[in-house]
Order: sequence, then C-alpha cells, then structure tokens
Amino acid sequence: AAGVIQSPRHLIKEKRETATLKCYPIPRHDTVYWYQQGPGQDPQFLISFYEKMQSDKGSIPDRFSAQQFSDYHSELNMSSLELGDSALYFCASSSPDRWAPNYGYTFGSGTRLTVV
Amino acid sequence: AQKVTQAQTEISVVEKEDVTLDCVYETRDTTYYLFWYKQPPSGELVFLIRRNSFDEQNEISGRYSWNFQKSTSSFNFTITASQVVDSAVYFCALNNAGNMLTFGGGTRLMVKP
Repeated sequence: AAGVIQSPRHLIKEKRETATLKCYPIPRHDTVYWYQQGPGQDPQFLISFYEKMQSDKGSIPDRFSAQQFSDYHSELNMSSLELGDSALYFCASSSPDRWAPNYGYTFGSGTRLTVV
Repeated sequence: AQKVTQAQTEISVVEKEDVTLDCVYETRDTTYYLFWYKQPPSGELVFLIRRNSFDEQNEISGRYSWNFQKSTSSFNFTITASQVVDSAVYFCALNNAGNMLTFGGGTRLMVKP
C-alpha cells in the first residue's frame, strides 16, 4: 500500500540558510499535517492543510511557511534557520471521513534536519 | 484543551516479561480517537492502533493488547512476552475535532535479553 512520502530523508543546513521539506500524502487523503519532533521530545503540531487551504495552526514559527498544492503534496519552507530548528520533521495525512471505519492517520518516515 | 499523559518516561524489562504502558488523556469532546505509535531507533512513527471514543472493546493483536476505559480516561497498552525488538519509544496520542494529534511525552521501553 502507498504510504506518505517525505523528502529528503536527511538535510544539513547552516544557520541562516533556507530549507524546503516535501510531503506526498497517501492518494485520496485530503488533509496534510506537519509535526516537529526535537531530540527526546514528543512530536509537536505545526500546521495542517485541508483541500489546499490551511486548516489549523500550531506552534509554527513565523520563519516557517507551508502550503498544499493542487496535487495535494505539501511543502514546508523554513528560513533563517537556527540551531534550535534541528529536529525530525514529520508529515502525516488523513483520509476524508474521520469517523469512517477505515479512517487513517499515517505518518511519513520523517526528514531529519540538522542545522550547523 | 486536551492533554495526554504518559507517566512512565522509561521502563526496562527482561525479555519475555509482560509490560504495560500507561496512557491517561483529558478532553472535553465526547467524540475522539486514541492512537498508539511506536518509534524505533530509526525514527519513524509506526502506527499500532486507533480506537474511537464509542468503542470501549479491548483489542488484542498478537502479543499486543489495549485496554480502553472511558471511566478513567485511560488507554493502556500491554506487550506480552516482550522481545528485544520491542525496544522503542511508544507514544499515545489523542485526536478530536481539531484534527491534529496531541501526543503524550512518550515511554521509552528497553527490553534486555
């Protein structure tokens, strides 16, 4: 079965640089979520998109932005990177009907961002 | 506001022991989902189970079992006859009308041979 695809798997950037993370959701999943997991922490919700519109916003810094495109893939753009942005970034997608028996909420393998 | 608490930050057991990971949640919603995810050292989040708030039936899947009790707002996870490959961080998570997942702090399980 198709899964959530994230790229790249690993990324090393210097302080003040820009990074773009990509996420390809499971086909027919219309909602995409981004999470940030710092070392030894639980994943924290950043932002989500439903049908290409931002649906919820969590603890996403102003230096970060995201969007969902017409093919439902999403990109997380991070500018003026700081050392504290080093983390594992997960994308997840969910199916349209939250209360359907086959409702899914699936995570990608994550992108490990290291800022040096 | 919603919250998930995993009081056990770290558990160490010897292989073949049974182990229970606790999860307590808070939410004002009457309809919600509860999840368990496994995060092995490689880092990915592996889905284990999803339970909706209307289904209090316990579930067993091989060596894994889950006990959902709405009366105590708990959704505990038991691994029977633990194996070294079970070593990982396990997260309990809650999903309600806001759609995003709220995670607990995670429990690091170490299974020693």
